[in-house]
Amino acid sequence: NAGVTQTPKFQVLKTGQSMTLQCAQDMNHNSMYWYRQDPGMGLRLIYYSASEGTTDKGEVPNGYNVSRLNKREFSLRLESAAPSQTSVYFCASRGESTDTQYFGPGTRLTVL
Amino acid sequence: AQSVTQLDSQVPVFEEAPVELRCNYSSSVSVYLFWYVQYPNQGLQLLLKYLSGSTLVKGINGFEAEFNKSQTSFHLRKPSVHISDTAEYFCAVSLRRGGYNKLIFGAGTRLAVHP
Repeated sequence: NAGVTQTPKFQVLKTGQSMTLQCAQDMNHNSMYWYRQDPGMGLRLIYYSASEGTTDKGEVPNGYNVSRLNKREFSLRLESAAPSQTSVYFCASRGESTDTQYFGPGTRLTVL
Repeated sequence: AQSVTQLDSQVPVFEEAPVELRCNYSSSVSVYLFWYVQYPNQGLQLLLKYLSGSTLVKGINGFEAEFNKSQTSFHLRKPSVHISDTAEYFCAVSLRRGGYNKLIFGAGTRLAVHP
């Protein structure tokens, strides 16, 4: 049981480049989330998806877009990367029966 | 607005000593409470959670936390720490809205266990 997987693990971009971070879960969860982690700020919610076909903005959505491709997959896209988006990105899914979010291993992104 | 405050950004402690990591929250509605641990270069792992029932919650690796509604606190404790407990610890509250929830995290407490 892989849980929540994320690709890539590391990425370096130049300012203005675009990329998509991939996330998949095999726990049949309805809800999925994207967070960013910055030193001294904990994790902040970028976007979330309560179910397949729905997405909503979180605390820090500017500069990002998301796609809930199906129940398993939830991708995060940076259309034009900026140095302020240098961060570690975590995907999570929530088990409705346990009311608990489970996290992937993260993607470390550097924007030069 | 809801918020979570972890009162210590860093906590140094010697091996086999007890430790308490403090967490306070503010919310006008009922919340669920969580502690997550993050080992270096890894994702977040659930330590324990409070959803309802007994206010003393036991988690993995010998950690426990007590929910205090009057003080809006959820402090994490361990009676005797090991070197392997060195990690960053995050307190979080969950707000339930319309069948899904959002987690609000504290800034984290870095626990450093010294021999």
